[in-house]
Amino acid sequence: EAQVTQNPRYLITVTGKKLTVTCSQNMNHEYMSWYRQDPGLGLRQIYYSMNVEVTDKGDVPEGYKVSRKEKRNFPLILESPSPNQTSLYFCASSRRELAYEQYFGPGTRLTVT
Amino acid sequence: KQEVTQIPAALSVPEGENLVLNCSFTDSAIYNLQWFRQDPGKGLTSLLLIQSSQREQTSGRLNASLDKSSGRSTLYIAASQPGDSATYLCAVNTGGGNKLTFGTGTQLKVEL
Repeated sequence: EAQVTQNPRYLITVTGKKLTVTCSQNMNHEYMSWYRQDPGLGLRQIYYSMNVEVTDKGDVPEGYKVSRKEKRNFPLILESPSPNQTSLYFCASSRRELAYEQYFGPGTRLTVT
Repeated sequence: KQEVTQIPAALSVPEGENLVLNCSFTDSAIYNLQWFRQDPGKGLTSLLLIQSSQREQTSGRLNASLDKSSGRSTLYIAASQPGDSATYLCAVNTGGGNKLTFGTGTQLKVEL
């Protein structure tokens, strides 16, 4: 089954404790990205990657890091989480060309206390 | 800067009714527009993708239209069912890293 998976699905952590949210896709997609969803603000892009070893900032990259060492994986790293990073996070993937639809993972609900 | 607006924010209808969800965007220079469904605690499910050169797309009881010049899209749901209850999001792709700009959604409730 074609899918985007994320782990963990739920995470409660404390300020400053480094964490990684994993994202993996099995569709051989070149493009992957991370979004966060907040009430009243909708989904906003954090980082994206057009291919292996190619990443770039989205609209809200502060406080986040990413890497793309393999085509199927695109982890999101929070090196020193803060309460304002409490949010619902989504990973997405698609073919690189703009004409293709994007597929989203199930989401990771992160709470930073 | 692209802005996407969805009206209404919430909608409650009786089962069987046909309904229209609206999406407007400020910059008509888009590559495509995608409609999603979001269920509580779950991810986004892609419903329809309309390319900038297309006027509409259909899938089952769903029909989405696009008027790029006026910056509008509508999602038509025929013969609504309780299982259609969810939040519906529209998103436009303006390139620039294949970024989707999302509206804040319409929360739909279909009542028996």
